[in-house]
Amino acid sequence: NAGVMQNPRHLVRRRGQEARLRCSPVKGHSHVYWYRQLPEEGLKFMVYLQKENIIDESGMPKERFSAEFPKEGPSILRIQQVVRGDSAAYFCASSPLPGLQDTDTQYFGPGTRLTVL
Amino acid sequence: AQRVTQPEKLLSVFKGAPVELKCNYSYSGSPELFWYVQYSRQRLQLLLRHISRESIKGFTADLNKGETSFHLKKPFAQEEDSAMYYCALSEEAQGGSEKLVFGKGTKLTVNP
Repeated sequence: NAGVMQNPRHLVRRRGQEARLRCSPVKGHSHVYWYRQLPEEGLKFMVYLQKENIIDESGMPKERFSAEFPKEGPSILRIQQVVRGDSAAYFCASSPLPGLQDTDTQYFGPGTRLTVL
Repeated sequence: AQRVTQPEKLLSVFKGAPVELKCNYSYSGSPELFWYVQYSRQRLQLLLRHISRESIKGFTADLNKGETSFHLKKPFAQEEDSAMYYCALSEEAQGGSEKLVFGKGTKLTVNP
């Protein structure tokens, strides 16, 4: 069990470019959460997805940010036209199906550190 | 709004000394609380949660609803306990999501 995988680990973008962050959950987990951590801050919830569905995107900025979790492949967090304020660590977490052990436990990936120049 | 407060950004103790990392929360319902730990160059991992009432690596945490606190304690700190510690609250939200609300974290340093 390799755990939650995120790539890239570090991403550098210039203002106005697009950033695409990937998250592969623990095998068998169908729930994915994305969190953002700004410098000197705690992690802040962005979006919760299940396969092919966005369930809760209450923490997502209204513009430029989108997320998906397709039937096949990793979950993607996309940031269009990045600005310096998007520089942060982005963490993905996954949890098992409801009814299974540790449903309420989220397993975190190593994060992607985005730097916008 | 739900909130988790960790008043100490940094905490430094000597090996063998007791350690307490403070966490206070505000939540309108019945909270589920967690402590996550991040060791140097490692990913965030669950240390313990209040519903399991267990001791992990010598750490315990008791939920005090009257004081709205969930302080993390260890009677004898070890150097390998040096890490970033985050207190978190599980907030049930739309669609059944159990999003976590995190404090800003406390960096614990255990000196030899």
